[in-house]
Amino acid sequence: EVQLLESGGGLVQPGGSLRLSCAASGFTFTGYGMNWVRQAPGKGLEWVSFISASGASTHYVDSVKGRFTISRGNSKNTLYLQMNSLRAEDTAVYYCAKATHYDSSGDSFDIWGQGTMVTVSS
Amino acid sequence: EIVLTQSPATLSLSPGERATLSCRASQSVSSYLAWYQQKPGQAPRLLIYDASNRATGIPARFSGSGSGTDFTLTVSSLEPEDFAVYYCQQRSNWPLTFGQGTRLEI
Repeated sequence: EVQLLESGGGLVQPGGSLRLSCAASGFTFTGYGMNWVRQAPGKGLEWVSFISASGASTHYVDSVKGRFTISRGNSKNTLYLQMNSLRAEDTAVYYCAKATHYDSSGDSFDIWGQGTMVTVSS
Repeated sequence: EIVLTQSPATLSLSPGERATLSCRASQSVSSYLAWYQQKPGQAPRLLIYDASNRATGIPARFSGSGSGTDFTLTVSSLEPEDFAVYYCQQRSNWPLTFGQGTRLEI
């Protein structure tokens, strides 16, 4: 079964850091780009970051550039998101999402994790 | 940044009726548009990719059309489980962007 399982969310103070993980199974992880997408409470979806299958290429939404870093451990089939200098507006459910097409760049997302909640508050 | 505008914001229909949802892009995205369904407390589910291709396991009552800047998601005959929020998303340019969503309610 194709599956993504996020972990690492929680409550953090403004200015703090958090590292999210996403464990992948059931597909050839090394062949697909991966993404993080977030959803603030009661709001719509916002794409956050992408990393290519090899890890050589990354992209970010402007609001997180310089603060968030996406990475992947292909030997562990795991995706990461290092979040630094967190702000209240980063409060959201964070989903990892698999690119639809093999070895693609910008893509749609055919498999999603269940999400992990990040709350930034003092 | 490509802005996607979905209409209507809310669509009130009954089971068995036909639903037509619209997504308009601020500039051409070619056919690089996807549609998702999201139910409360759940992750989004991919319905349509590249404007008109149904994702794996998606019922035939869901169809997508359009290219350039104007796109449509059609549900031919609504089932009770189809009442949810629907989002469009473009993959033509970075940053990838979503529409604000259409709530399909009974």
